[in-house]
Amino acid sequence: QSVLTQPPSVSAAPGQKVTISCSGSSSNIGNNYVSWYQQFPGTAPKLLIYDNNKRPSGIPDRFSGTKSGTSATSATLGITGLQTGDEADYYCGTWDNILNTGVFGGGTKLTVL
Amino acid sequence: QITLKESGPTLVKPTQTLTLTCTLSGFSLSTGGVGVGWIRQPPGKALEWLALIFWDDDKRYSPSLESRLTITKDTSKNQVVLTMTNMDPVDTATYYCAHRLSAQNYDYWGQGTLVTVSS
Repeated sequence: QSVLTQPPSVSAAPGQKVTISCSGSSSNIGNNYVSWYQQFPGTAPKLLIYDNNKRPSGIPDRFSGTKSGTSATSATLGITGLQTGDEADYYCGTWDNILNTGVFGGGTKLTVL
Repeated sequence: QITLKESGPTLVKPTQTLTLTCTLSGFSLSTGGVGVGWIRQPPGKALEWLALIFWDDDKRYSPSLESRLTITKDTSKNQVVLTMTNMDPVDTATYYCAHRLSAQNYDYWGQGTLVTVSS
């Protein structure tokens, strides 16, 4: 059971937009930055979004991150203009101040139909 | 260019101690602000954060594994070493080391090394 809750899977058609949610609490998302990672089978995760909404160099602006909700305890990854090459697993991550540990979501498998 | 590479045994027996080495290139752990973390991923499962070491030798551990983990650095070799005692089959996973960009953000990852725990 992950500290951060993500939907197991999402799907959308090519060219469409999809959002992936990451729900936590005040001890993690509510008071810390959120990062998002993309992982293809058999490869290491790749940083897509850091500090809630910043993109590392080389990450296209089709990828965006937001943090919202009551007391900002949820974060969302948005992907526009979906491509078949976006099919991957996506993970959110942050720090938890009570557990005093890094935490990740359970991951979301994106299918581009 | 920042790269990280994990090395260590691919197979360990239950109760043995695992020692993994992360060799760093393109940055130094003696530089202020730098951190290197370890994250693992059991086959088909989610990422699990394990430990983090900073340039000033400050360390953080996953509370659930803290009694079994030790993270150290060798600045002269530009390496970070993770040891995990009393290995169990449930510890079978791909172990990654990663460069900490800031906070809990990891921007460069090693390729990972699959460690299987089996007798």
